[in-house]
Amino acid sequence: QVQLVQSGAEVKRPGSSVKVSCRASGGTFGNYAINWVRQAPGQGPEWMGRIIPIFGTSDYAQNFQGRVTITADESTSTGHMELSSLKVEDTAVYFCTRGASIVGAQDAFEIWGQGTMVIVSS
Amino acid sequence: DIQMTQSPSSLSASVGDRVTITCRASQNIASYLNWYQQKPGEAPKFLIYGASNLQSGVPSRFSGSGSGTYFTLTITSLQPEDVASYYCQQSYTIPWTFGQGTKVEIK
Repeated sequence: QVQLVQSGAEVKRPGSSVKVSCRASGGTFGNYAINWVRQAPGQGPEWMGRIIPIFGTSDYAQNFQGRVTITADESTSTGHMELSSLKVEDTAVYFCTRGASIVGAQDAFEIWGQGTMVIVSS
Repeated sequence: DIQMTQSPSSLSASVGDRVTITCRASQNIASYLNWYQQKPGEAPKFLIYGASNLQSGVPSRFSGSGSGTYFTLTITSLQPEDVASYYCQQSYTIPWTFGQGTKVEIK
């Protein structure tokens, strides 16, 4: 059973960048998309973007266009999300999540990482 | 973007009660609707896909229905371990979007 293991918490200054990693433990990404979802304190989840590792193609939410870069390294089964020009409002828990291994439900989020807290503060 | 609107935002019910949460999409999404359960401090857990299909291992007291723009998540007999926030998510078109959540508590 694949698990997604994320990197540890980060504290960043406004204007800086953060890079969060997500490693597939016990398996590989396979043919599934790796999505990044963030959740600000007390708020619902917000989709940021995704990558399909076997194709190397990425899609991003308009809200994050130009600030987020999502990459994946199939050889290490590790994905990365880098968010630049950080603002205080980017303080949130960032999750990686893998698409479902169910025909017709590949864009549902079946497996989740444990989350990475990113705090942006001056 | 497709907007997902859940109601109520919170509810309190007794153990054994039937609980229903609704989710409306701002446009037709067929059956591309998924539900998640999130307990405090945890990642969301995948419950239902395709509006009505129960993910493996999810208790049968959970069920989903609907299509088009109107969807429901029902817990037929609320249990203490069901205290959580519940989110709908559309997987019809990018950007994938979530509802704002429904917090379920025990009365």
